[in-house]
Amino acid sequence: GENVEQHPSTLSVQEGDSAVIKCTYSDSASNYFPWYKQELGKGPQLIIDIRSNVGEKKDQRIAVTLNKTAKHFSLHITETQPEDSAVYFCAASSDYKLSFGAGTTVTVRA
Amino acid sequence: ETGVTQTPRHLVMGMTNKKSLKCEQHLGHNAMYWYKQSAKKPLELMFVYSLEERVENNSVPSRFSPECPNSSHLFLHLHTLQPEDSALYLCASSPQTGGYGYTFGSGTRLTVV
Repeated sequence: GENVEQHPSTLSVQEGDSAVIKCTYSDSASNYFPWYKQELGKGPQLIIDIRSNVGEKKDQRIAVTLNKTAKHFSLHITETQPEDSAVYFCAASSDYKLSFGAGTTVTVRA
Repeated sequence: ETGVTQTPRHLVMGMTNKKSLKCEQHLGHNAMYWYKQSAKKPLELMFVYSLEERVENNSVPSRFSPECPNSSHLFLHLHTLQPEDSALYLCASSPQTGGYGYTFGSGTRLTVV
C-alpha cells in the first residue's frame, strides 16, 4: 500500500516568515495530493490540493508543488500569521482511499 | 459545522463497557469512513463504506464493529476495548471513494480506562 512520509514533525516560524512542509510517497500510481489543516478540537479541513498532471498550484498565501519523478510534494505558506498555527497533514490518493502523513505542528511566533 | 456531525464529542468508557459512536453527513455523499487518530501518527483508516456496503476493513480488531444503515449515517460500536484504543476517532465522507472531496467531522475523543 501507499506510504506517506512527512517532515518536519514540528516547525516554529516568526510571524511574516515562510513555512515549508515536505512529503514523499511510495506508490507511483497515486494521482491526487491534498493538504489538510487541523486546529485544536476540530477535524482536518482541506486547504489545497493538487493532481498529478499539475506541477504547482497556488491559493493566496499557500502553494503546493509536486515532483512526480521524485515522488515528493511540498506545502508552502508565505507571510505566516498567528492563525496559521495548526497541525498540517499531507495525503496521497491511490486506489480508492487516502493515505496520510504523520502531521506537522506549525507554531507561528508573534 | 462542516456538514459531518459526530457524537458524542468526548467519551470515557471502561474496558467492559459497550458504547457506540455516531456519524451523520448531510452532504449527499456516497462514501463514509472511520479513521483513528493517535498522537504523532498518521491517520489510520479503519473502515470504508460505499453506498452502505463495506469495501475495506483494515485488519481492525473485532472489538470495533461498524454499521452503515444508510448513506447518511455511520456507527462504530465499541466493546471490551483496551487502554491503547484511546484516541480521536474521526468520521469522514466523500462524494465517491477515491480520495477526492473528503469532509471530516470534528471527531470523538475516546478514553478507555
